[in-house]
Amino acid sequence: AQRVTQPEKLLSVFKGAPVELKCNYSYSGSPELFWYVQYSRQRLQLLLRHISRESIKGFTADLNKGETSFHLKKPFAQEEDSAMYYCALNNQAGTALIFGKGTTLSVSS
Amino acid sequence: GAGVSQSPSNKVTEKGKDVELRCDPISGHTALYWYRQSLGQGLEFLIYFQGNSAPDKSGLPSDRFSAERTGGSVSTLTIQRTQQEDSAVYLCASSPGQGRFAEAFFGQGTRLTVV
Repeated sequence: AQRVTQPEKLLSVFKGAPVELKCNYSYSGSPELFWYVQYSRQRLQLLLRHISRESIKGFTADLNKGETSFHLKKPFAQEEDSAMYYCALNNQAGTALIFGKGTTLSVSS
Repeated sequence: GAGVSQSPSNKVTEKGKDVELRCDPISGHTALYWYRQSLGQGLEFLIYFQGNSAPDKSGLPSDRFSAERTGGSVSTLTIQRTQQEDSAVYLCASSPGQGRFAEAFFGQGTRLTVV
């Protein structure tokens, strides 16, 4: 069965510190993986996906098939990065995204 | 409209009552999804509609939950005999087609409180 695990409910860092939000998954085959972000009082929005291999707002994520991980990283956190982050993958049927339980990132000065 | 619109934004209902939540997807988007967002549980998939195909109802938690999509556009999620554990934010999303998750947009959600 498809599953996404985000082991940390809350991650607190200081401004300028590196950030790594962990995501592990289980899936039969080749999944499509995503990171979504929800800022306070805003809608859930796509941050990045593994296929595009891009950096958005300084965040990157690399798919590691051996470790079945898709960790989100940023070298220098900013206060505006404070938000809820969700890791997600497509279900086998291709009909929906399966989300993890989310990690709240809190960046303080 | 420019984005996915959900109504009402907030709904408080008494335990045992029925509620209807509405979603207006982006015009032209054939795929529509409902999710439930609750504290500690993340986003739980509820149901998926794609055009005129039979919906994927595999995520509905009980037979008290149902949804329909009329004319391939507006969707209504109905919860019958609401329970306190149904309290959550219900999110709707739409995308241009099946599997096009990167082009999916979410609504602002309906916060349901069952008292």
